[in-house]
Formats: sequence, structure tokens, C-alpha cells
Amino acid sequence: GQNIDQPTEMTATEGAIVQINCTYQTSGFNGLFWYQQHAGEAPTFLSYNVLDGLEEKGRFSSFLSRSKGYSYLLLKELQMKDSASYLCAVKGGATNKLIFGTGTLLAVQP
Amino acid sequence: DAGITQSPRYKITETGRQVTLMCHQTWSHSYMFWYRQDLGHGLRLIYYSAAADITDKGEVPDGYVVSRSKTENFPLTLESATRSQTSVYFCASSVQTGPNQPQHFGDGTRLSIL
Repeated sequence: GQNIDQPTEMTATEGAIVQINCTYQTSGFNGLFWYQQHAGEAPTFLSYNVLDGLEEKGRFSSFLSRSKGYSYLLLKELQMKDSASYLCAVKGGATNKLIFGTGTLLAVQP
Repeated sequence: DAGITQSPRYKITETGRQVTLMCHQTWSHSYMFWYRQDLGHGLRLIYYSAAADITDKGEVPDGYVVSRSKTENFPLTLESATRSQTSVYFCASSVQTGPNQPQHFGDGTRLSIL
């Protein structure tokens, strides 16, 4: 089977750095995606990792360790507009479809 | 650039009724997906399609029917709606299920079944 775990909620301060963790167990692995979803809106693609290490995209970075089944999303210089849910999704297993975690709701406070 | 559009955005219906949610994409993406999103469950895959006339079940297909007669359209039908199908439904598409191709989502349909 497949399982993805993320913290349910996090709170951080404007201008700070926050790390959102994701652990996964899958029978196969073909990459890990992070999506951002503002309340009442569609998920939007943030990042993709398939090899171990850090991928950086402006204020957002994503890290992957395949041996540990672990990823994190790092958000720097937090802004109020970063308040959203962050969804971790793994592609793998027999069907190669995306399996989503339940998401982490991030609240950025002034 | 319309991208991927879903209709209606909001729908209220009664148990036992048939309801169809529409999804249309202008990118000519080969793959299309239907998800439902509920508190505590995240996004769960209902059905997906690799190309016109090719569909397959996802994690929670019971009570739903899909078709894909044209590449750009992927309607989802609830044949006899139940209250447990009250949810937010998202359609998504991708170029292919190659490892690094993200799925792009529509704005969702909020469905309430009374």
C-alpha cells in the first residue's frame, strides 16, 4: 500500500523561514510533487523531485531523500500570501498515478 | 489561454438524481483525472483517462461513471447521487504520466447533495 504523512497545521511569522515535512511509503517511486492550494482555489504546482537533494526555485526549495522516504518544502522570507495548504504527492506504485497527502495548512502571521 | 475549465462551479441537487460535472481542456493533454477533496482525506482519485476512449478506475470509483469520446472533454457522472458524494470535485490534466510532468487543475466544482 501507499501512505503519505504531513503535519495538519503550521504557523509561522512573516519574513521567517518554515519547513513543511512529508514522509511517504510507496511500493514504487517515480517522483514527489509539492502543490500549493489557497482556500477555495485549485492546487497549483510548486516543485518536483525525483533524485536526492535540494531543488531551489526562488523563495521555495524542496528536498528529497529516497532512502528515508522523506521530503520537505522550505519557504523563505514568508509573506502573508503564502498562507495556504501545501500538498505533498507521490507518483509511484503499480499504477504510476499521484497519491496525495492530506495537506499542511500554513498560517502566516504578521 | 483557457487551460482547463470545469462547469458548473457550484451545484446543489437531491439524493437519487443524476448529475454530470463537465471538464474541458484546451492544451490537448493526453491524460485527464477526476479527484474529490474532502476534509481529512485530501485529494482522492476517482477515475483517470490516458487518451480518448481509454479510462480506468482510481481509488474511489464507486457511484461514478466517466467517458472520454474526445481528447478535450472528460465528464464525470454521478448516476444516483448520495449524500456521501457531497464534496469538491477537481479535474486535472497532464501531457503524459512521464515522471516529471505535473498535473494542472481546474477551479473545481462544489457539489452539495441534499
